[in-house]
Amino acid sequence: DGGITQSPKYLFRKEGQNVTLSCEQNLNHDAMYWYRQDPGQGLRLIYYSQIVNDFQKGDIAEGYSVSREKKESFPLTVTSAQKNPTAFYLCASTDGTGSYEQYFGPGTRLTVT
Amino acid sequence: AQSVTQPDIHITVSEGASLELRCNYSYGATPYLFWYVQSPGQGLQLLLKYFSGDTLVQGIKGFEAEFKRSQSSFNLRKPSVHWSDAAEYFCAVCAEKDEKLTFGTGTRLTIIP
Repeated sequence: DGGITQSPKYLFRKEGQNVTLSCEQNLNHDAMYWYRQDPGQGLRLIYYSQIVNDFQKGDIAEGYSVSREKKESFPLTVTSAQKNPTAFYLCASTDGTGSYEQYFGPGTRLTVT
Repeated sequence: AQSVTQPDIHITVSEGASLELRCNYSYGATPYLFWYVQSPGQGLQLLLKYFSGDTLVQGIKGFEAEFKRSQSSFNLRKPSVHWSDAAEYFCAVCAEKDEKLTFGTGTRLTIIP
């Protein structure tokens, strides 16, 4: 079955450590997105990539970094510079054909203490 | 810049009763509008979308939404809710030719017997 996988489901880190969240899709989609979700704030766009080896900052990119070396993979690194990293992180993709439908992964809950 | 407002943070509805979730958007041109649903700890699933044409759109799980340009609204409705509809609902908007979504803050739906 095609879809988006995010691993792990739960992630715990100590303050000051960088951590990388995985996002893999086998939908053959060109565009991929990373969102952060906090209670009462909806989803906010961190980074997005419309094609391999290219990505753009979203609304809240500070303290995060990404790479897009392969079409199917879009890992997100939460750096120690991110002041409030504890959140639910969602990865999504679109096929770029004009359907505009974003397909979401199950998310990773990151807790930093 | 576009924005989305979901004025109701939490709504409680009896099983079998009708439902309407409100969504107001702000965007200069014709918006592309979406409703997504999220079960606890999960990713988002698209319920329905509106690009143009008939202002009443049908979606999955018996949901529908009506686009009203004069009121800048895109409210979600269901004639009779089921306990399985308990979830968080997000309205989102994007511009034509730009697949980046702007999400509202969400409405949490509770179903009581």
